[in-house]
Amino acid sequence: NAGVTQTPKFQVLKTGQSMTLQCAQDMNHNSMYWYRQDPGMGLRLIYYSASEGTTDKGEVPNGYNVSRLNKREFSLRLESAAPSQTSVYFCASRTGGAYNEQFFGPGTRLTVL
Amino acid sequence: RKEVEQDPGPFNVPEGATVAFNCTYSNSASQSFFWYRQDCRKEPKLLMSVYSSGNEDGRFTAQLNRASQYISLLIRDSKLSDSATYLCVGGDDKIIFGKGTRLHILP
Repeated sequence: NAGVTQTPKFQVLKTGQSMTLQCAQDMNHNSMYWYRQDPGMGLRLIYYSASEGTTDKGEVPNGYNVSRLNKREFSLRLESAAPSQTSVYFCASRTGGAYNEQFFGPGTRLTVL
Repeated sequence: RKEVEQDPGPFNVPEGATVAFNCTYSNSASQSFFWYRQDCRKEPKLLMSVYSSGNEDGRFTAQLNRASQYISLLIRDSKLSDSATYLCVGGDDKIIFGKGTRLHILP
C-alpha cells in the first residue's frame, strides 16, 4: 500500500516551459487535492476534485490546470511556468465526508528560473 | 480574508509547559476541522480531528466553538519532539489550511 505518490520529487524549469505534476493514490479515496506551499504561507489550495469526473477551483487556481484522469490519478499542469510558481507542491486524498482526514504525498519541489 | 486564520508565532516555550493555539474560520457551514503537524520540509500529518464535543488524545486536547467560529489545540507537558508547525484545517469537500503556527520547545 503506497498511499499517495507524487512524481517528480524535484524539477527545475525555465520561464515559459510547461510540465505536468503527477499524483496517484491507492486507497480508493473519492477526493483529491493539489496544494502549494511557499515559505511562511502555509498550504494554499490550488484545485480539488471531490469525486471522479469533477474538479473545482481552490484559493489560487490561476496559472494551473488539473485533470482527474480516473479515481486514482489527479494531475496538475503548468502551461507556461513563471518564477512565482516556484514552490513545494503537495497532493492529498481523502475518503470524503466529515472527520475524514487527508493523506499527503511527499511533495514536488519545483523551481522556475 | 483567508477562510482559516491562525497566529503564525513562533511560540517559544520551555519543555514541560502547556501551550495553546487558537484558530478562527469564516465558513460557518464547515463541518470538518483538523489539526495537522508539519515538520520542516515534510508533508503534513494528521494530529487530531476536532469533534463538536471536544476530544483528547494523550497530552493533546482539541476544542471546537461553533458560536465563535474558532478551534483550539492545547498541548500539555510539552516535549522537545513537539517542536513543529501546527496547521489548523477546516472545510468539507474544499479543505482550507491556515498558515500554521511554529512551535519551538526549549530545553
